[in-house]
Amino acid sequence: DGGITQSPKYLFRKEGQNVTLSCEQNLNHDAMYWYRQDPGQGLRLIYYSQIVNDFQKGDIAEGYSVSREKKESFPLTVTSAQKNPTAFYLCASDKGVVAFFGQGTRLTVV
Amino acid sequence: DAKTTQPPSMDCAEGRAANLPCNHSTISGNEYVYWYRQIHSQGPQYIIHGLKNNETNEMASLIITEDRKSSTLILPHATLRDTAVYYCIVRVANAGGTSYGKLTFGQGTILTVHP
Repeated sequence: DGGITQSPKYLFRKEGQNVTLSCEQNLNHDAMYWYRQDPGQGLRLIYYSQIVNDFQKGDIAEGYSVSREKKESFPLTVTSAQKNPTAFYLCASDKGVVAFFGQGTRLTVV
Repeated sequence: DAKTTQPPSMDCAEGRAANLPCNHSTISGNEYVYWYRQIHSQGPQYIIHGLKNNETNEMASLIITEDRKSSTLILPHATLRDTAVYYCIVRVANAGGTSYGKLTFGQGTILTVHP
């Protein structure tokens, strides 16, 4: 929504494999965020970045890693250390007034 | 960031106004109130935000009490498509009036609009 693209929409991976979720924005936003949502729950913050080459851990960063090499891109890697990776992942970007969200990636680990 | 409290669920008849309350009694002077909604399996959608004055846009109105400890989101004529989870969030604004830092979501209110 609003120029934020998450891909793919659905992703299946085998247990023990790392997987990278893509988030791209063309809104020239400085800040980007990754959230995780489990069924019937609210969004929980994984990582956020307010500027290129800098990012901070959110509330549930364990088992995840990110990079912010370009303003437009904020990929999230779900590592094998994440004990329960199956979830709905949402990316957002923000220029300091309103944050806009992508449509999410549903990750299923089998 | 201040915490918010919302009722877990509410019902509303189609065509009537939906009034969704939010308590944010620990809000600081530099925190905005934001409302988002999420329709099943989609990304949250921004609705409205405000600091201390009441706000209105094409989607909704936001009424903030004078002490800023609570607010109400009003959908003036609810439709079936307004059925969603509504999140009330408070967020710090910097001196320039922009907001940075994490958006912290609670459980939200499940609004069900029925015919």
